[in-house]
Amino acid sequence: KAGVTQTPRYLIKTRGQQVTLSCSPISGHRSVSWYQQTPGQGLQFLFEYFSETQRNKGNFPGRFSGRQFSNSRSEMNVSTLELGDSALYLCASSLGFVSTDTQYFGPGTRLTVL
Amino acid sequence: AQRVTQPEKLLSVFKGAPVELKCNYSYSGSPELFWYVQYSRQRLQLLLRHISRESIKGFTADLNKGETSFHLKKPFAQEEDSAMYYCALSGTGGGNKLTFGTGTQLKVEL
Repeated sequence: KAGVTQTPRYLIKTRGQQVTLSCSPISGHRSVSWYQQTPGQGLQFLFEYFSETQRNKGNFPGRFSGRQFSNSRSEMNVSTLELGDSALYLCASSLGFVSTDTQYFGPGTRLTVL
Repeated sequence: AQRVTQPEKLLSVFKGAPVELKCNYSYSGSPELFWYVQYSRQRLQLLLRHISRESIKGFTADLNKGETSFHLKKPFAQEEDSAMYYCALSGTGGGNKLTFGTGTQLKVEL
């Protein structure tokens, strides 16, 4: 079974631009969560999608948004990029919407904002 | 609010020595607790969860609700245990939102 895939793996953008990151979950998984990882703040939850609906949201500004498609693939978008958005963005998928489900993480997308 | 605290950034032990990675949490309800591990150049992956009461790769973790702790233990460290370990908490309100600790880098020396 193929694991969680994320594209692109690396991105370099400048302040003020916007960016879209993509995540393909494990086949059959319906829940996708996004996390931001930085040296200063560690791993922080962004949002979770299940059945194309956002079910949970972390404490991030409205510049961070996402969506999920009918095939469970998910995208997250960051608009008006700031230097502080430089981070590793991780996607995780799980079977359902149960807190004890195992989450499987992707390799991440490394975003650098100049 | 939920919070996970891992007090040690780095833990260095000798091969064969016991290992204990500390994790304390703050949550008003009954949480689900997990340990995730990230080996060098690999993805973050689940090591174990408290609800399963299992031992994975010789590691165990017991949920102590009185002390709000979920420490990870292994009696004899192996070189391949060197990795970054994250304690994580999921609330019982539904969903897979994880609150992570800041992680502990375990280094097993020969």
